[in-house]
Amino acid sequence: TQLLEQSPQFLSIQEGENLTVYCNSSSVFSSLQWYRQEPGEGPVLLVTVVTGGEVKKLKRLTFQFGDARKDSSLHITAAQPGDTGLYLCAGFRQTGANNLFFGTGTRLTVIP
Amino acid sequence: GAGVSQTPSNKVTEKGKYVELRCDPISGHTALYWYRQSLGQGPEFLIYFQGTGAADDSGLPNDRFFAVRPEGSVSTLKIQRTERGDSAVYLCASSLFGPNTGELFFGEGSRLTVL
Repeated sequence: TQLLEQSPQFLSIQEGENLTVYCNSSSVFSSLQWYRQEPGEGPVLLVTVVTGGEVKKLKRLTFQFGDARKDSSLHITAAQPGDTGLYLCAGFRQTGANNLFFGTGTRLTVIP
Repeated sequence: GAGVSQTPSNKVTEKGKYVELRCDPISGHTALYWYRQSLGQGPEFLIYFQGTGAADDSGLPNDRFFAVRPEGSVSTLKIQRTERGDSAVYLCASSLFGPNTGELFFGEGSRLTVL
């Protein structure tokens, strides 16, 4: 069972376009992370957000943690072919199990 | 090496056989995680070790799956009587401390195919 639902599941856009990926849950998370995974490799951490309402920017990527710490979004500005990959949100639940739960994933393809 | 190492990278076996997958974490990392990932989906949690002990094994799907970490470093995931539904990429990750404390570093995974 995956606690975090991501949308869209697939996204194909032209180079230079903007996009937003959403990560939603009914559970509260003490922190939430975003990873990017390329074929044949393990996920690689992009960012960790901890505080409700927090916004972090990493070059053309903007990450936001919801006020209630149940959801997050990833916005990419002026997408480039190098952004192509599987984007995964993952959260540490505030109560209960003490492991990292991953979202369902969003596969992004940026067409040159 | 500096990263998480997993062996074998690929394993093809027949239904009913026994399989072992090995994970060598980053030196000094006390926490070790096993995940299973099907094509195009997010990793599914299996088990988490803190040191030598399994702190959370709630993700193991059934009693055919077992994992050990006897010396608090290398871990082995063991699958008995494999079934076709066990086919997936098995990912191992390690972190310096435990949950809620930062980045997990993943290996490249072991791709298991059960014929």
